[in-house]
Formats: sequence, C-alpha cells, structure tokens
Amino acid sequence: DSGVTQTPKHLITATGQRVTLRCSPRSGDLSVYWYQQSLDQGLQFLIQYYNGEERAKGNILERFSAQQFPDLHSELNLSSLELGDSALYFCASSEGTEHNGYTFGSGTRLTVV
Amino acid sequence: AQSVTQLGSHVSVSEGALVLLRCNYSSSVPPYLFWYVQYPNQGLQLLLKYTTGATLVKGINGFEAEFKKSETSFHLTKPSAHMSDAAEYFCAVSHRGTSYGKLTFGQGTILTVHP
Repeated sequence: DSGVTQTPKHLITATGQRVTLRCSPRSGDLSVYWYQQSLDQGLQFLIQYYNGEERAKGNILERFSAQQFPDLHSELNLSSLELGDSALYFCASSEGTEHNGYTFGSGTRLTVV
Repeated sequence: AQSVTQLGSHVSVSEGALVLLRCNYSSSVPPYLFWYVQYPNQGLQLLLKYTTGATLVKGINGFEAEFKKSETSFHLTKPSAHMSDAAEYFCAVSHRGTSYGKLTFGQGTILTVHP
C-alpha cells in the first residue's frame, strides 16, 4: 500500500456521461498530481494542485476539471465522455513542490463504451 | 521544453544477466531524473532519483543509474536480473522552474526476464 488511495478502481460508463475520480494523498503530502495513461499516449500529465491551489496544467481537456479540497483530497471530473477517454487515471502525491519523486496510487481504470 | 526518450520499448534478458535500460533526456536547465517501475495492474513505484550530488545513484531492488550530463543520459542497470524484475520501467525528468513538480515520462520499456 503506497498510502495514496484512489477510488473507484474500475469504472465502466457510456459515452456522453460524466464521472468523478477520487484521490486521497499520502498523509502529510500537500501536492496532488493527475496523470492519464493510455497505450497510444503513454503517461500524460494532466494537472497539479498544491494545498488547494492549481499549480500546473498539462494536456488536460476542457471537458475535464479537477479540484483539491481543504482536507487535501482531490477529485478529477470527466464529462461528455468519449471512447478515447478510456485509460488508466493515476493520482500521485508529494510533500510539496520539491523534487523528491511522487508516490502513486494504484489508479482508476476507466472504460467508456 | 523537456522530453525523455527510452531506447527500446521491449528488452529481454536471461535470469542472472545484466539489465540495461536506456534513457536520454532533453532539458534546457539542469534536470532532476527518475526511474519508476510499474508491475501489472499496479501504480508506479519510485526506483531511484537523481537531483544533485553524486552522479551514480542507487535505488531499490539492486538497481542503479548514472547521470551523464555530456551524454544527456540516465541509463538504468542491474548486474543480475531476477524473474521478479519483469515489469515496465519508466524514465522521467523534471527541473526547477515554472512546472513545479511536473514529471515528463518516457514511453516506457517492458522488461522480460526468461529462465
């Protein structure tokens, strides 16, 4: 157990729907990162939050949004889902913005049918 | 912009043989470099990292990597492969600057270990 908790582990939904992925960071970690992993794109950085504030944005679609709550857990919202959004979504956390490497969760596998 | 190239999407070795996974990076400023391992149906686990100081870094499970600035490389090695090393390995780069802790990952190398 890495200490980063992601729920749900698996999600199957239809095109056009909206889903919410949840992440609880490791105790003491203030930064949360979201990544998408797919066969064709590899690991793509989506967004980073630090202590509730957005810090960096990557290749995140406008249909996707995220937030980090006062208790530091984070949610990634995916809407108007398309078949191409099927992927593994990882959350990772770190103590701050220093570069000590992340701790990853085990991911949420999203399948859009 | 920074980027990472992992040479060889698949590497196959015999148990007991040397493991060498290649990683080259591109970065306009001094990089921080990382290797992660991903076992099937699991998240990524940090193997080792280079931030500053000694260019030869040792990680978990007997792996090590050497930062070579002149070659812009950070190859991962292990003297003797074990069956349990079979997994996918990712090299990643980050640096001080506007992107804070963002990591840019390579495409990954799948390591197969055969008896």
